[in-house]
Amino acid sequence: TQLLEQSPQFLSIQEGENLTVYCNSSSVFSSLQWYRQEPGEGPVLLVTVVTGGEVKKLKRLTFQFGDARKDSSLHITAAQPGDTGLYLCAGLTGTYKYIFGTGTRLKVLA
Amino acid sequence: GAVVSQHPSRVICKSGTSVKIECRSLDFQATTMFWYRQFPKQSLMLMATSNEGSKATYEQGVEKDKFLINHASLTLSTLTVTSAHPEDSSFYICSANPWEGLETQYFGPGTRLLVL
Repeated sequence: TQLLEQSPQFLSIQEGENLTVYCNSSSVFSSLQWYRQEPGEGPVLLVTVVTGGEVKKLKRLTFQFGDARKDSSLHITAAQPGDTGLYLCAGLTGTYKYIFGTGTRLKVLA
Repeated sequence: GAVVSQHPSRVICKSGTSVKIECRSLDFQATTMFWYRQFPKQSLMLMATSNEGSKATYEQGVEKDKFLINHASLTLSTLTVTSAHPEDSSFYICSANPWEGLETQYFGPGTRLLVL
């Protein structure tokens, strides 16, 4: 069974602080996506990383795919209250199914 | 952008009844649709993969006779929770893959099911 473990599970920080969320697996994925989900809504895609070692930036968010395509990280610079939400990584398996990570619940306090 | 809708957004039903949830791709054709279940404060768990014109593929531990999936057309998949019980109460989310990209999936807004 392919598993994606995210850490930390919960994170509460002050506005302006930086943070990193990790997504780790023992399995290799074709690609990996990061989502943010608000309560009662479907997840919203933030980024897709495909190549090992790839780094993508989306404003204050920086995403990295591990060289071996088994892990990924999401770094947020100068977090804002609007960044609050559930962050999910999802890896694409060889059978074209996405397996979701365990999730990281972020709360940014004003 | 690609839009996926779900209907209903919320449903409350009595134990023992069946509930049907629809997932529609509004502006693209979806070769594959996925059904997920999400319990409170947890991540999404893949239940099944739905392909148009063929039987759904269920993940281990998901009862196919309880969660009936019908992918009637390239824009519609339905999930029917049969003989619902309180433990089936959950947030059900679908996603759809367009023709052009197996790596791309667009999520619906989810359906909150409460079984009394």
